[in-house]
Amino acid sequence: SSELTQDPAVSVALGQTVRITCQGDSVENFYANWYQQKPGQAPLLVIYGKNNRPSGIPDRFSGSISGNTASLTITGAQAEDEADYYCNSRDTSGNRVFGGGTALTVL
Amino acid sequence: QITLRESGPTLVKPTQTLTLTCTFSGFSLNTGGAAVGWIRQSPGKGLEWLALIYWDDDERYSPSLRNRLTITKDASENRVVLSMTDVRPVDTGTYYCAHLLWNVDADAFDIWGPGTMVTVSS
Repeated sequence: SSELTQDPAVSVALGQTVRITCQGDSVENFYANWYQQKPGQAPLLVIYGKNNRPSGIPDRFSGSISGNTASLTITGAQAEDEADYYCNSRDTSGNRVFGGGTALTVL
Repeated sequence: QITLRESGPTLVKPTQTLTLTCTFSGFSLNTGGAAVGWIRQSPGKGLEWLALIYWDDDERYSPSLRNRLTITKDASENRVVLSMTDVRPVDTGTYYCAHLLWNVDADAFDIWGPGTMVTVSS
């Protein structure tokens, strides 16, 4: 299956560390990417591949993979990190897939 | 600097064909490794990948929608067109096109257009 499963919602206290997970067979064979989406805006790539940050993405964002689970970790979450986060990967046929998204609340 | 912008109708009637255009700059679909994808988002819902076209005309489609979708490119005009037949109200949403960063270390939609909202209603 190429489905990717994410927890619908996660919360974190300001300045603390939060991990958002994405589970699926695709992750084990192909890297996962992570996108941040704020209301009314297009998604923004924050982590891609093994653990790469596009230019301009703060280094508090990091990615990791263990088995069929990919994780996005925000170390020292800031108020501006409150957003929806989506993982994305591909399957062996070259089809892309997105997870259902995780709404992050920064308390 | 890569930019993309979607354009097309804001309102479409059920059963009609929706045609969306992605106009881009900063890269060429004549260059090996280049690709553009379409992703949509229903109101209040998550992202759904629709289709992808590569520089070599290879195409990929969402398995659940492949019989309704066609993606084409005009590399000389820096455009990618997505057609969706037999639209229904559930196809209402924001449609995005995005550049695919594709190399040995990456396979990700790194630059997105602002999106275009499409409503399917009679």
